[in-house]
Amino acid sequence: EAGVAQSPRYKIIEKRQSVAFWCNPISGHATLYWYQQILGQGPKLLIQFQNNGVVDDSQLPKDRFSAERLKGVDSTLKIQPAKLEDSAVYLCASSLALGSSYEQYFGPGTRLTVT
Amino acid sequence: QKEVEQNSGPLSVPEGAIASLNCTYSDRGSQSFFWYRQYSGKSPELIMSIYSNGDKEDGRFTAQLNKASQYVSLLIRDSQPSDSATYLCAVNTGSNYKLTFGKGTLLTVNP
Repeated sequence: EAGVAQSPRYKIIEKRQSVAFWCNPISGHATLYWYQQILGQGPKLLIQFQNNGVVDDSQLPKDRFSAERLKGVDSTLKIQPAKLEDSAVYLCASSLALGSSYEQYFGPGTRLTVT
Repeated sequence: QKEVEQNSGPLSVPEGAIASLNCTYSDRGSQSFFWYRQYSGKSPELIMSIYSNGDKEDGRFTAQLNKASQYVSLLIRDSQPSDSATYLCAVNTGSNYKLTFGKGTLLTVNP
C-alpha cells in the first residue's frame, strides 16, 4: 500500500513570496491533515479535512495560509505572503476516517526555508 | 488550551537497557493515545496506539495508560542504537478528534 505522498520535498523562498505544497493521502483515507512542525517542537495541526469539507482550521493563520481539498482526495496548502517564521516542515497526514480510534499516517513532509 | 507534556530529555541509555518515556495530558476527555518515532530529518512514524487503561505490548515496545492520572508512557526493552530518535506523544482531543502532540523526547541509545 502506497503511503502519503507530498511534494516538493524542499523549498526555499524569500519572504513575501508565495508557495504551495501538495499532498496525496493513502488511497481510501477520508480524513486529511496538514501540520506545521517547527524545529524542536511537535507537529501542530493547521487544518483537518473530512472528504472535501473542513473539520477544524482553528490554528490556521487565515490571513496568509489557505488550503483546499476540492475532490476529497489530494490537497494543496498555500502560503501567501510568506514570513520568516513560516520556516518549518509541513507535514501531511491521513486517516481512514474521523474518530478517536483512527490512526494517522504521515507523509515525508516539505521543508520550507524562508529567507 | 489542551496540553501534552513530555520530558524534553535528552534521555541516554546503554544498549540493552530499558528506556522509559513519559507523557502527561490535560484533557480528561481524551480517548486515544499514540506514540510516534521521528528520526532526525524524517517524518513521524506511528509505533504504538493505546485506548484503554493498562498495558499494551508490541514486540520490544510497551505502552502504559493511566487515565485517572492522565499519564501515558512508553517502555522500550532491550534498547538498540537504532532506537535513537525523538519520541512524540500524541493525544486525541476534542470533538473533532484532532491530535495534540508533545514536544518530544530525544532518546540516545549508546552502544
